[in-house]
Amino acid sequence: DVKVTQSSRYLVKRTGEKVFLECVQDMDHENMFWYRQDPGLGLRLIYFSYDVKMKEKGDIPEGYSVSREKKERFSLILESASTNQTSMYLCASSLSAGVNTEAFFGQGTRLTVV
Amino acid sequence: GNSVTQMEGPVTLSEEAFLTINCTYTATGYPSLFWYVQYPGEGLQLLLKATKADDKGSNKGFEATYRKETTSFHLEKGSVQVSDSAVYFCALSDSVGSEKLVFGKGTKLTVNP
Repeated sequence: DVKVTQSSRYLVKRTGEKVFLECVQDMDHENMFWYRQDPGLGLRLIYFSYDVKMKEKGDIPEGYSVSREKKERFSLILESASTNQTSMYLCASSLSAGVNTEAFFGQGTRLTVV
Repeated sequence: GNSVTQMEGPVTLSEEAFLTINCTYTATGYPSLFWYVQYPGEGLQLLLKATKADDKGSNKGFEATYRKETTSFHLEKGSVQVSDSAVYFCALSDSVGSEKLVFGKGTKLTVNP
């Protein structure tokens, strides 16, 4: 089975801290994604990576950056955490097969910024 | 840009009731369409998909038909169970050949015994 693992289920950080959210997938998928999930807003794409060291901004990249140094790992970085970044963060991966393929999701990280 | 609109919840049904969750989309080109489900405390998982017009996706008793003429992909189940309680998300691929997914806002379903 495909497995997407997010390093933490719950995180509490202080305003202004630099925060790292880690995601690892074990199926050699080319594509990896970071989404943010908020009540009433659904899932919004923060960043997308289609290869090592390659990335594209999603719909809401402001205040975030990403790193993909190895194919299996995709990190989301909050340079200076703010309270409006309190949210559920979901990582996903998918195979790049030239057709629209299924995305596999991790269990999510619930981040609270105080 | 591309977008997905799904019916707002929450939806509360009794066990064995018929379920419909409406989903319409706006897209250029010919997107693929998906329904994802999120059970409490878990990430999203694919429920079903359809990749071209008139395709019907089905899984676990759920069905949805890709209707290009009405730009819709409504989710249906003939008899819901308590275990179907979850949040359901309609999604489309951003464009042909792209793996980026655009999601609706989600519909929370509660099924009571």
